[in-house]
Amino acid sequence: AQSVTQLDSQVPVFEEAPVELRCNYSSSVSVYLFWYVQYPNQGLQLLLKYLSGSTLVKGINGFEAEFNKSQTSFHLRKPSVHISDTAEYFCAVIEKSGNTPLVFGKGTRLSVIA
Amino acid sequence: DGGITQSPKYLFRKEGQNVTLSCEQNLNHDAMYWYRQDPGQGLRLIYYSQIVNDFQKGDIAEGYSVSREKKESFPLTVTSAQKNPTAFYLCASSIGPGNTIYFGEGSWLTVV
Repeated sequence: AQSVTQLDSQVPVFEEAPVELRCNYSSSVSVYLFWYVQYPNQGLQLLLKYLSGSTLVKGINGFEAEFNKSQTSFHLRKPSVHISDTAEYFCAVIEKSGNTPLVFGKGTRLSVIA
Repeated sequence: DGGITQSPKYLFRKEGQNVTLSCEQNLNHDAMYWYRQDPGQGLRLIYYSQIVNDFQKGDIAEGYSVSREKKESFPLTVTSAQKNPTAFYLCASSIGPGNTIYFGEGSWLTVV
């Protein structure tokens, strides 16, 4: 079975600074990887996903993530954050076969400070 | 507009009562899911259904029940057997297993 570890539960960062949210996964089979964002009292919104092809994936709101198979990582980055990026971010993994459901990490709370 | 609708948004119940959370989707998705979210614990899978009239237990199914009589509907019942039911509940759907999952806006359940 696969698992996801988000290495930081909280990340404070100043506005316009760069940010990286770390995600490592464990799986014995090939996987698809996702990042979701959750604003307060709302559902989750898909930021980006890696299915195949280029290991650098661009998503909405200026975010991007890089799939590193050797390090089993899928870190999320943004070169310059805004106050509006304050939210909870979830990394998730699913087997390509689809035999098991999506598995989420515990989330990273990004707080952007003015 | 296509999407996933959860209702109610906020629900209060007394301890010992069963409560049913509604989830409807008009995306023509085959698979539907229920997750529970607690602070600091991420999302945990309660039940999922890959096709009508079929569903499987997730990681924390005890104290919950579901039905999938129609493709667009996947209601979740929180029974009195669930020891700590107060949480944020999220319904989701996907075209099928292994595909991107889309979420509803969630339902807050508070048991007093």
